[in-house]
Amino acid sequence: NAGVMQNPRHLVRRRGQEARLRCSPMKGHSHVYWYRQLPEEGLKFMVYLQKENIIDESGMPKERFSAEFPKEGPSILRIQQVVRGDSAAYFCASSDNNHRGQGSGNTIYFGEGSWLTVV
Amino acid sequence: GEDVEQSLFLSVREGDSSVINCTYTDSSSTYLYWYKQEPGAGLQLLTYIFSNMDMKQDQRLTVLLNKKDKHLSLRIADTQTGDSAIYFCAERGVNNDMRFGAGTRLTVKP
Repeated sequence: NAGVMQNPRHLVRRRGQEARLRCSPMKGHSHVYWYRQLPEEGLKFMVYLQKENIIDESGMPKERFSAEFPKEGPSILRIQQVVRGDSAAYFCASSDNNHRGQGSGNTIYFGEGSWLTVV
Repeated sequence: GEDVEQSLFLSVREGDSSVINCTYTDSSSTYLYWYKQEPGAGLQLLTYIFSNMDMKQDQRLTVLLNKKDKHLSLRIADTQTGDSAIYFCAERGVNNDMRFGAGTRLTVKP
């Protein structure tokens, strides 16, 4: 049972290029979350998606960043015209939809992350 | 300020107990979590506690929750060098969003 799969694990982009990060949630999970971890900092929430819907994008920068979770295929975090400050680890997490059950814990499982370096 | 706060560093000797503290602000949080991150890796779920509990024990890990003070702690008994990592506290709100602290870097000295 594969966990949350992210690719690429490492990505190098020149300033101004586009970065696309992919995330396949755990089997049976329909909720996806993206987080960013800047060097020596904690995790910052970016966006929460369900299939074909953005539920909460309050942590997404207003420009250049977008996310989608199509009906088929992985979730994509897209960063256009990257700048050096975008260099970070981007983590995807997934959960199932049984989040209101008291016994479930509704655990969020994380992928191994995608490390973006902008040169 | 941060929704979830943690001290940034903790250093202990091997064999001692470690206590990592966390405060959160959302009184409607349903679950609270502790994750461990080793260098260059993703986050590994260590344990979680439902908000109507005040304690949960799992082998060397003990989680204490003081809901009144919105304080969560993780105690690691008999800390080993392999426990050296960053530990993240997280809260989950009723809207299914999760907020993380900045992480506590635990260093275990032999």
